[in-house]
Amino acid sequence: GEDVEQSLFLSVREGDSSVINCTYTDSSSTYLYWYKQEPGAGLQLLTYIFSNMDMKQDQRLTVLLNKKDKHLSLRIADTQTGDSAIYFCAEAPTGRRALTFGSGTRLQVQP
Amino acid sequence: DSGVTQTPKHLITATGQRVTLRCSPRSGDLSVYWYQQSLDQGLQFLIQYYNGEERAKGNILERFSAQQFPDLHSELNLSSLELGDSALYFCASSERGDDTQYFGPGTRLTVL
Repeated sequence: GEDVEQSLFLSVREGDSSVINCTYTDSSSTYLYWYKQEPGAGLQLLTYIFSNMDMKQDQRLTVLLNKKDKHLSLRIADTQTGDSAIYFCAEAPTGRRALTFGSGTRLQVQP
Repeated sequence: DSGVTQTPKHLITATGQRVTLRCSPRSGDLSVYWYQQSLDQGLQFLIQYYNGEERAKGNILERFSAQQFPDLHSELNLSSLELGDSALYFCASSERGDDTQYFGPGTRLTVL
């Protein structure tokens, strides 16, 4: 079966880098996604990575994918207070259209 | 703003009642997905429609049903509501039905 796991909480200081980790079990996943949810808001697509890539960079965001270990990480450089939110990792296994989400990592940025 | 709209934003109702949640996809998107977010179950996929036809089904209760209309908007109907149905219900849309999903702001349902 599929199961996406994330740590529940991460606290960093403003200006530091944040690294949010995710492990997944379905090796057939074609795309892996990161979504951000601010309090009282919907899910905002941050970035995604195709399974044949190791890394993707998009401004302050860097996604690393280790397919062998089924490990995905999201690095946020120069973390700001506005980055405080819950970050969800999600996988889309080949042949399935529904996203399977992790439980979310709450990022707290301290000034 | 993802371009996906959902109404209403909040809904408060009583047990046993029936409600309808509405979703309009992004312009050009043919597929609509419904997800439920609750504290105990997290984010769970309910159902997907593509161009008016049901495409995939997840953990959707028999008391729940959905449809997608010719103008591509979708409605999620929840009936015989129970306290445990209180949750945030998200709609997402994608262009082809197997590509990146963009989420709406959600409808928060409270069942009293």
